Amino acid sequence: DGGITQSPKYLFRKEGQNVTLSCEQNLNHDAMYWYRQDPGQGLRLIYYSQIVNDFQKGDIAEGYSVSREKKESFPLTVTSAQKNPTAFYLCASSSGFNQPQHFGDGTRLSIL
Amino acid sequence: EDQVTQSPEALRLQEGESSSLNCSYTVSGLRGLFWYRQDPGKGPEFLFTLYSAGEEKEKERLKATLTKKESFLHITAPKPEDSATYLCAAGSGGSYIPTFGRGTSLIVHP
Repeated sequence: DGGITQSPKYLFRKEGQNVTLSCEQNLNHDAMYWYRQDPGQGLRLIYYSQIVNDFQKGDIAEGYSVSREKKESFPLTVTSAQKNPTAFYLCASSSGFNQPQHFGDGTRLSIL
Repeated sequence: EDQVTQSPEALRLQEGESSSLNCSYTVSGLRGLFWYRQDPGKGPEFLFTLYSAGEEKEKERLKATLTKKESFLHITAPKPEDSATYLCAAGSGGSYIPTFGRGTSLIVHP
């Protein structure tokens, strides 16, 4: 079955540590996205990518970084510069911009 | 600036009690109105896309409709398994990325 796989499901970060969230898709989609979801705030866009080796900042990119070396993969690194990283992180993909997005089941990041 | 507002924030229904969720949007040139369902601890699941005013889509007990300013998700005779958060998003000609509303949390009591 085609879909998006996010791992791990739960992640804990220590002070000063960088952590990387994995996102892999086998839908052959060009566009991929990272969102942060906090209670009562809806989905906020962190980064997005239309093609391999190209990505753009979203509304809340500070403290985060991404790479897009393969079409199937779009990992997100939460750096130590992100002072409030506790949230539910969602990865999505679509066949193009302004097309329906398909989401993974998220990674919940907490601070130790 | 593109804006999407969903109401109500939360809705409690008895099983079988039909109702509607609202999604009001202000975007520059609608390129698609998307509805999603999200269960706790899961990612959103795509339900419908609507492109033009007057368009309707149906799936089981759900029907989505679209006007020039808002979209409605009608739930007919809901069951407890319809309990979830429903998200809408509007794609515009001014942005590559759809703008999401904050969602409506629906609870259906047996």
